[in-house]
Amino acid sequence: KNEVEQSPQNLTAQEGEFITINCSYSVGISALHWLQQHPGGGIVSLFMLSSGKKKHGRLIATINIQEKHSSLHITASHPRDSAVYICAVFRSRLTFGEGTQLTVNP
Amino acid sequence: GAVVSQHPSWVICKSGTSVKIECRSLDFQATTMFWYRQFPKQSLMLMATSNEGSKATYEQGVEKDKFLINHASLTLSTLTVTSAHPEDSSFYICSALSVGGSVTGELFFGEGSRLTVL
Repeated sequence: KNEVEQSPQNLTAQEGEFITINCSYSVGISALHWLQQHPGGGIVSLFMLSSGKKKHGRLIATINIQEKHSSLHITASHPRDSAVYICAVFRSRLTFGEGTQLTVNP
Repeated sequence: GAVVSQHPSWVICKSGTSVKIECRSLDFQATTMFWYRQFPKQSLMLMATSNEGSKATYEQGVEKDKFLINHASLTLSTLTVTSAHPEDSSFYICSALSVGGSVTGELFFGEGSRLTVL
């Protein structure tokens, strides 16, 4: 079993839909990162969480430390949100989930 | 916001040559930088942790003589792929852990470097 598990692996949505991507991990962590990787490969760090909830624009990330679970939400999704979303947990180093390929159709 | 510059963004080289990839933090100091490798349609894999002024810590299975890492300053780490072979073709990404300033403790990623070895 991977230390970090994401679901779903693939997600297709229509523009405007509310999207949720889940991440579960099995070890104690100091922080959890949500990353966005575009087709060209470049990675953008969306959030770093150690507790609670963070919001940036249409993106919301939550974490439940007791349950070892985090979610990334996208409200009013748009085709430009299409990317791979990666959950990564940090102790002394980062361990990555497999990623969720999101496609938002117009 | 904090920026990590990675260079080159893509490189093609002949088998047997060495390739150097730079990872530079532009507006913050990073005592720790991480190097990752990503194969097509696969997750990122940590290769090594680079600490300024000391030897890098390599993950199991990563050849330290093959992938030379140098972190000579608080803003620059380099990864050199020595005697490259086609199986070294991959996407290499660095990240930098910020210290000091307004973004302490955050992790910032470079844009990645795509290496193709012919």
